[in-house]
Amino acid sequence: DQQVKQNSPSLSVQEGRISILNCDYTNSMFDYFLWYKKYPAEGPTFLISISSIKDKNEDGRFTVFLNKSAKHLSLHIVPSQPGDSAVYFCAASGGFGNTPLVFGKGTRLSVIA
Amino acid sequence: DVKVTQSSRYLVKRTGEKVFLECVQDMDHENMFWYRQDPGLGLRLIYFSYDVKMKEKGDIPEGYSVSREKKERFSLILESASTNQTSMYLCASSRWANVLTFGAGSRLTVL
Repeated sequence: DQQVKQNSPSLSVQEGRISILNCDYTNSMFDYFLWYKKYPAEGPTFLISISSIKDKNEDGRFTVFLNKSAKHLSLHIVPSQPGDSAVYFCAASGGFGNTPLVFGKGTRLSVIA
Repeated sequence: DVKVTQSSRYLVKRTGEKVFLECVQDMDHENMFWYRQDPGLGLRLIYFSYDVKMKEKGDIPEGYSVSREKKERFSLILESASTNQTSMYLCASSRWANVLTFGAGSRLTVL
């Protein structure tokens, strides 16, 4: 049973436009959410996170929105740049303690110049 | 910067061989993890450890074992490699379980 779902395997966006990556979760115990970015032949790197007590967190060009009632979060990248082309993984955790992250399957973003 | 180092970037092994994947972190993190990444399947947790000599099974532990004799080192062992264990293996560490720092990965091919 997949607890964290990224239903779009891939997304193409033109440079300068907004990229929106979506993630749904089923476990209502999840209260901390993260996005990781992965380039080929490298390990994933942490991008941005959000706690369930917030509905938005912003860091430069990256904003994560959380809709708890819909069990949905999204990552917005504005403006998109060619260097943003990577696989993005959504991840969730059941608490600030030592609960392993549950990852989605990832969305491959291609930003076209 | 936190550094997680995986000793081998690329390995080619034969079916039935014993395989060791080594991971070392240099930031005194308590928690260490092994994931595998496969196309269309995302990141799947194999084993994790919250302390020296402690280990917990993740979602897909079958065919794998781990060893954590020292805090900074977490080894993944494939007792008898099989072709379905061909994958990218990712080690990670963290002080808390939430924000992981990953190594660069070890791509294993089993022939």
